[in-house]
Amino acid sequence: RKEVEQDPGPFNVPEGATVAFNCTYSNSASQSFFWYRQDCRKEPKLLMSVYSSGNEDGRFTAQLNRASQYISLLIRDSKLSDSATYLCVVNSYNTNAGKSTFGDGTTLTVKP
Amino acid sequence: NAGVTQTPKFRVLKTGQSMTLLCAQDMNHEYMYWYRQDPGMGLRLIHYSVGEGTTAKGEVPDGYNVSRLKKQNFLLGLESAAPSQTSVYFCASSYVRAEAFFGQGTRLTVV
Repeated sequence: RKEVEQDPGPFNVPEGATVAFNCTYSNSASQSFFWYRQDCRKEPKLLMSVYSSGNEDGRFTAQLNRASQYISLLIRDSKLSDSATYLCVVNSYNTNAGKSTFGDGTTLTVKP
Repeated sequence: NAGVTQTPKFRVLKTGQSMTLLCAQDMNHEYMYWYRQDPGMGLRLIHYSVGEGTTAKGEVPDGYNVSRLKKQNFLLGLESAAPSQTSVYFCASSYVRAEAFFGQGTRLTVV
């Protein structure tokens, strides 16, 4: 089983739709969490951190559920420019002196 | 700010040749990582480093070696390139418990 798992999609949604992605992780000692965005053939870029109390950045909302070991990303009012692959990242520091583990990503295509 | 810089951006190698990819960061980050990403696939961790002079194996370390002699540099070596190593290589760096910043990638083709 992978340490971090995401639904690969693809998610195909119309403009203006609300879409949600989930990501589960297996290491219960994981300590920090992030969502990244990766455009085709480009490097991943940080979209937002995920805090225990949940956090929002404009149309994007991230949540963390430590008990069930998953994080989520909600995108409201989808734009064409939101089309990308979204990666969840989990940082763990109790094994191997710590490292970031990336999910394989969920692909989103927003259509007119 | 330069951030994370990878050299070279593109390279074509013949099978059996060797090369070194350089990653340099100017953010004083402790942690540095090398990933590879094949078409349509996720990132796979090759090696990483939690500080100057230390390295550790990731998910797919075979065929690669790394060195971190200086805190700001993380080198990835291919001793004898194989076609299976054709990929896009990303370097990243981070503070402890913080988000990682990526370089723009090196597109390597082994023929």
